[in-house]
Amino acid sequence: AQTVTQSQPEMSVQEAETVTLSCTYDTSESDYYLFWYKQPPSRQMILVIRQEAYKQQNATENRFSVNFQKAAKSFSLKISDSQLGDAAMYFCAYRSENGQNFVFGPGTRLSVLP
Amino acid sequence: ETGVTQSPTHLIKTRGQQVTLRCSSQSGHNTVSWYQQALGQGPQFIFQYYREEENGRGNFPPRFSGLQFPNYSSELNVNALELDDSALYLCASSPAPSYSLYNEQFFGPGTRLTVL
Repeated sequence: AQTVTQSQPEMSVQEAETVTLSCTYDTSESDYYLFWYKQPPSRQMILVIRQEAYKQQNATENRFSVNFQKAAKSFSLKISDSQLGDAAMYFCAYRSENGQNFVFGPGTRLSVLP
Repeated sequence: ETGVTQSPTHLIKTRGQQVTLRCSSQSGHNTVSWYQQALGQGPQFIFQYYREEENGRGNFPPRFSGLQFPNYSSELNVNALELDDSALYLCASSPAPSYSLYNEQFFGPGTRLTVL
């Protein structure tokens, strides 16, 4: 069974600074998808960024980028120029290639300090 | 806003009762997944429906069941409620089949279930 680990229960960052959230996973599959989701206090889960395992190039979405290390099974999220609205729970998630198994990590609570 | 709605927002039940939670997907989304999120934890995958058939299930007992309807609505039913069933229940819909590269999930705001 696949597992997802987020070793940082809480992180904080100064506004306009950069922060990196860590995620590691365990799987025996060769093809899969990885995601970072944001869950603000409103509870609605929002997709931040995704990465296909067969792509070596790291995904980027505006201020959000990932460092995907397939051999190390590591998938960290970098947030640049942090904004107050980035404060939320961040979940790393794994999806098997057939889409029938979706595993979330325990989350990292990010605080952004003014 | 993702266009996915859930009802009710909050619900209180007692142990042993049955509950039905509802989700309305975006039009055209033929895949829906349900998740249980206990307080302070990440969501856990319950099951997934594609075109009204269950096509994936997590480690949940049979007393968790679901239905998906042609009008893009779906239900999660839980029988014989236990105290540990207290959680936020999220549904997520997708415009593509689960095996598709483009199976991006759009989450609803969730239903907070409390079992006393």
